Amino acid sequence: DAGVIQSPRHEVTEMGQEVTLRCKPISGHDYLFWYRQTMMRGLELLIYFNNNVPIDDSGMPEDRFSAKMPNASFSTLKIQPSEPRDSAVYFCASSFRVTRQGGNEQFFGPGTRLTVL
Amino acid sequence: DAKTTQPNSMESNEEEPVHLPCNHSTISGTDYIHWYRQLPSQGPEYVIHGLTSNVNNRMASLAIAEDRKSSTLILHRATLRDAAVYYCILISASGGSYIPTFGRGTSLIVHP
Repeated sequence: DAGVIQSPRHEVTEMGQEVTLRCKPISGHDYLFWYRQTMMRGLELLIYFNNNVPIDDSGMPEDRFSAKMPNASFSTLKIQPSEPRDSAVYFCASSFRVTRQGGNEQFFGPGTRLTVL
Repeated sequence: DAKTTQPNSMESNEEEPVHLPCNHSTISGTDYIHWYRQLPSQGPEYVIHGLTSNVNNRMASLAIAEDRKSSTLILHRATLRDAAVYYCILISASGGSYIPTFGRGTSLIVHP
């Protein structure tokens, strides 16, 4: 397996534009996570899905952010309209379901570095 | 959610052992202790996890205190490639909250 795939790897856009980040999880994983990392706030969980259903989106900063998972092999994180403070590295991760042994290792993608001018 | 406390940074010399501490005094009985690390310009990667007993794998060892309020990640022989940010997080296996909180982690500096 190629691991978690994210695209694009880098995105530079202007304030007010729509940004769509994409993620392909590892085949067979039924949990998918979106994280955001900045120097100021560290690594923050934005939202996670289980079997394509959003379970907890309490980390989504505001209504400008939305995430979808139309099928088990694809998810998007959209920012509309984008603002300079959204500049960060966005990671997608996937894992198997939580087991009784707590063996829910998360596999992270390489991230998308977003710069909003 | 139970939180963890780690030192901001630690330093080590190459080929020496490194002990990275983590405090989690509010850990619950169903919380597993996970360690991840993040190499520069990469996403985090899993290192090891455990519940009560010490654990070993090819990357590291995890020593868990008897009262489970603290744990230590042990790198037996640090290499330059081990320079990374190490995160200690708690994940519940109870089927309830499943939100891993990564925090700031410990930045490990390895000197040649």
